[in-house]
Amino acid sequence: QQPVQSPQAVILREGEDAVINCSSSKALYSVHWYRQKHGEAPVFLMILLKGGEQKGHEKISASFNEKKQQSSLYLTASQLSYSGTYFCGTVHTGTASKLTFGTGTRLQVTL
Amino acid sequence: NAGVTQTPKFQVLKTGQSMTLQCAQDMNHEYMSWYRQDPGMGLRLIHYSVGAGITDQGEVPNGYNVSRSTTEDFPLRLLSAAPSQTSVYFCASSETPDRGPGYTFGSGTRLTVV
Repeated sequence: QQPVQSPQAVILREGEDAVINCSSSKALYSVHWYRQKHGEAPVFLMILLKGGEQKGHEKISASFNEKKQQSSLYLTASQLSYSGTYFCGTVHTGTASKLTFGTGTRLQVTL
Repeated sequence: NAGVTQTPKFQVLKTGQSMTLQCAQDMNHEYMSWYRQDPGMGLRLIHYSVGAGITDQGEVPNGYNVSRSTTEDFPLRLLSAAPSQTSVYFCASSETPDRGPGYTFGSGTRLTVV
């Protein structure tokens, strides 16, 4: 079952912040985040394991709320290079290695 | 280090034809998966493998077969192509996807069935 992402699309001005949410109806073991630019393959950003940790690098970070089966991706002080489609992928407890993706969030950063 | 290599990059098939999409990785990853990507549908899992000789179905396996005879290769076979299989296909591999790092994707195969 695919995780649900929101919003479906967001337009930002350079320097603004954004939050992308990912939720699942089944118990999560880990959550992946990927970014895909138009015409290219998805690129891995980060993984979060159950335990509620928050990870990040530079101005992109993510959190994982195990109780709510949700993860959020935070993009701060957005740059033009952040434009693309962001996908969360979920691995559910008891289904090791089976990674299921959401339908994606299209992010456009403008000047 | 080539990573994940998919061939061909583009393919046009007639309805009813069969073909094999090739995928090879040189990172010694145990886990490999095939996804298809359609507009508005995200990435949907077709089949996946946790090691040589072991495969399992994903969300949309109908019309596709896979086998994993070696760690490096994970071909995807379309048995009798249908227009509904027009899509972009991605192969991906990972060392341990449940704990990280995540999947490395190939550059994709754009398939059109007419």
